[in-house]
Amino acid sequence: EVQLVESGGALVQPGRSLRLSCVASGFTFDDYGMHWVRQAPGKGLEWVSGISWNSGSTDYADSVKGRFTISRDNAKNSLYLQMNSLRPEDTALYYCVKDGVGFGWYFDLWGPGTQVTVSS
Amino acid sequence: EIVMTQSPVTLSVSPGERATLSCRASQSVSSNVAWYQQKRGQAPRLLIYGASIRATGIPARFSGSGSGTEFTLTISILQSEDIAIYYCQQYNKRHSFGQGTKLEIK
Repeated sequence: EVQLVESGGALVQPGRSLRLSCVASGFTFDDYGMHWVRQAPGKGLEWVSGISWNSGSTDYADSVKGRFTISRDNAKNSLYLQMNSLRPEDTALYYCVKDGVGFGWYFDLWGPGTQVTVSS
Repeated sequence: EIVMTQSPVTLSVSPGERATLSCRASQSVSSNVAWYQQKRGQAPRLLIYGASIRATGIPARFSGSGSGTEFTLTISILQSEDIAIYYCQQYNKRHSFGQGTKLEIK
């Protein structure tokens, strides 16, 4: 079955760190770019970060640049998001998503999401 | 940053009628626009990419059009299961989403 499954979400205090993981199955993981997209409670979608198939290119939304780091391990079919210096405004459901073609295109597969709550 | 603006915010349509959703980009994005459907409690699902190409498994009643800065998603014959929030996305320069249109049954 073609799917993405996220994990690692939690309740954390402001200023702390958290690492999200995503495991892919059912497709050739290292053929595609991957991304994280988040959705704050009751709000719309916000692209967070993306990484090319071979990790040669990465990109970040201005709101997380310098605090978040995206990475991947193709041998483990896994995508990661290291989140440092977390802020209350980072509270959201974080989706792992697959690029439709290569890197930097539309998103044709979404995981169910993992919840991150930043609060004291 | 390219800003995507969707209208209307909420759309009420009777079953069997046509629903037309709009999306405007703050600058030209060519045809690099996708549309997603998000039902309550679910992850988004890709409907349309390349402004007008239906994704795999998407019913023919969904169609997309436009290029440059003006885009439209049309649901030709609304069904009850189409109740959802619809988002447009540009991927011409990085990625940005519209704020969503909530589609309701009249």
